[in-house]
Amino acid sequence: GAGVSQSPSNKVTEKGKDVELRCDPISGHTALYWYRQSLGQGLEFLIYFQGNSAPDKSGLPSDRFSAERTGGSVSTLTIQRTQQEDSAVYLCASSLVPGVRQETQYFGPGTRLLVL
Amino acid sequence: ILNVEQSPQSLHVQEGDSTNFTCSFPSSNFYALHWYRWETAKSPEALFVMTLNGDEKKKGRISATLNTKEGYSYLYIKGSQPEDSATYLCASTKGGYQKVTFGIGTKLQVIP
Repeated sequence: GAGVSQSPSNKVTEKGKDVELRCDPISGHTALYWYRQSLGQGLEFLIYFQGNSAPDKSGLPSDRFSAERTGGSVSTLTIQRTQQEDSAVYLCASSLVPGVRQETQYFGPGTRLLVL
Repeated sequence: ILNVEQSPQSLHVQEGDSTNFTCSFPSSNFYALHWYRWETAKSPEALFVMTLNGDEKKKGRISATLNTKEGYSYLYIKGSQPEDSATYLCASTKGGYQKVTFGIGTKLQVIP
């Protein structure tokens, strides 16, 4: 496919369980971002990967959240010991080339996570 | 301004009315300003990216302006239609650092 894909599209889990969310960016895009939108809130930055540089984890809300990006492509966001406040839409986005001023992010369809 | 701020947070207009909303961003070390449209149950889609002071961009009935010296951008919608109903996000990138900071968005509802 030509766009950013995310899986699963929906996830319902029980409080305390771990979840993994996957993002496949557009081929060739070196930058990858994770965001989340909680109910009634704006877009919240979580983590940013750029090439082989150390990721910017400044937006991760707690140490229960982690993410990795293997081979500069696919990324996995892991939430351990999920809490009800983790319920949100998790969006992944990728962009083409760093240092280019016209850097547009292309978003995936999101994963809707519900923690019961 | 330390963060990206948008106003108003929500807006209701009648079909056919024109409207505009504001994005304020840190003017120091400015790099680029983006506008995205986010329709319910869809992914955010890019509308415009602007980099130069005085830039104006237009796509159909939607246009945007940029003032990098004072740190604001306006988004205008002429003759609003129900399909314009969405949340409009702006995002700023600072020079030399690729992380993009989003505002909370302006939620527009166009009433038929």
